[in-house]
Amino acid sequence: GAGVSQSPRYKVAKRGQDVALRCDPISGHVSLFWYQQALGQGPEFLTYFQNEAQLDKSGLPSDRFFAERPEGSVSTLKIQRTQQEDSAVYLCASSLVETINEQFFGPGTRLTVL
Amino acid sequence: GNSVTQMEGPVTLSEEAFLTINCTYTATGYPSLFWYVQYPGEGLQLLLKATKADDKGSNKGFEATYRKETTSFHLEKGSVQVSDSAVYFCALSLPNTGFQKLVFGTGTRLLVSP
Repeated sequence: GAGVSQSPRYKVAKRGQDVALRCDPISGHVSLFWYQQALGQGPEFLTYFQNEAQLDKSGLPSDRFFAERPEGSVSTLKIQRTQQEDSAVYLCASSLVETINEQFFGPGTRLTVL
Repeated sequence: GNSVTQMEGPVTLSEEAFLTINCTYTATGYPSLFWYVQYPGEGLQLLLKATKADDKGSNKGFEATYRKETTSFHLEKGSVQVSDSAVYFCALSLPNTGFQKLVFGTGTRLLVSP
């Protein structure tokens, strides 16, 4: 079956532009996660949804970052007024059950801010 | 705070050599522990996991044992193959987050030569 898909795979933005990154989770997966992975580092948690409810957004680095999942399926991570330090790979993951589960990761979106 | 420390890479081995990648953690409470693998050009995949002390996770010839007394979860494989070349991430999740949020180490690159 289809895994987690993300689009675009690569995005180049000029500093100050707004960007929107899309995540299509595995069908039926209740939980959805966004992580940020800087070059040479491990992924860092940004935010978590259970269905359409955003239960944890403690990892969002600033109020320029906003995520939504309005119908409990597809999610969008939006970054406003991008800055160079936002350059990273943004990973989306989904999982089927609420506790102690396997998170299935997408291939990521590589964002480069010039 | 909660964190994961991995040995720095790259780890360079010849085919059929024995592999150990060290991982230690700091956590409040009793975490679940994971090893994820990222093959070139692919997304993160769960390799193995352990949810309580003295549990051993295993998959594809890889093993790791949850050692509470040493707060460690070292990854081992008796005989590596060229196809094992990848980046390996140790991670934990915590009960106070419903075991949802993953905290990753920085990753260890493994290079296996024929």
